[in-house]
Amino acid sequence: NAGVTQTPKFQVLKTGQSMTLQCAQDMNHNSMYWYRQDPGMGLRLIYYSASEGTTDKGEVPNGYNVSRLNKREFSLRLESAAPSQTSVYFCASGRTAHSNQPQHFGDGTRLSIL
Amino acid sequence: GNSVTQMEGPVTLSEEAFLTINCTYTATGYPSLFWYVQYPGEGLQLLLKATKADDKGSNKGFEATYRKETTSFHLEKGSVQVSDSAVYFCALGLDSSGSARQLTFGSGTQLTVLP
Repeated sequence: NAGVTQTPKFQVLKTGQSMTLQCAQDMNHNSMYWYRQDPGMGLRLIYYSASEGTTDKGEVPNGYNVSRLNKREFSLRLESAAPSQTSVYFCASGRTAHSNQPQHFGDGTRLSIL
Repeated sequence: GNSVTQMEGPVTLSEEAFLTINCTYTATGYPSLFWYVQYPGEGLQLLLKATKADDKGSNKGFEATYRKETTSFHLEKGSVQVSDSAVYFCALGLDSSGSARQLTFGSGTQLTVLP
């Protein structure tokens, strides 16, 4: 029962490098989300995809792009990494985009930008 | 805008003690309310939820009641265990436009239970 799988689990980048965080869910959920978690700030939504083929900005989208590759996969790309993007990134999925539905989270990607 | 305020941690309790973690919210419309739990090195897991006023969510001995009059959703457990040590997040499910697409999280409360 994999649920939501994120890769990689850890990554160190230099300022200006690019990388893509991968996320896949096997629950046939329609909506998927990317959050970042910073100390004392809870989780903040970066981007979400209410359904296959759609993406929307969340609270903190600057410096990121996303791709909903198919119903299962939702990737997050950092085109030019900055130290302010050092964080723990969580992918989540939900049966529908309506926020009275619970979301299921992956175990996170710990990203450090030097 | 919408916001969630949780009591600041860390909270340290002895095993079998009573737990309360306070959560209050500000929202337009009629939000759903959630408690999520994050164990070390893991993602968040839904602990319980309530979708309308006076609803009580419960799971694994934890309870929270949706109080519209006090805009609160406090988490309680009568007797905590060492295995309950984790970070607890209160969350609100409604965005400012009322389209109910985003969750707003509190900053989290670290709970440590000592044997």
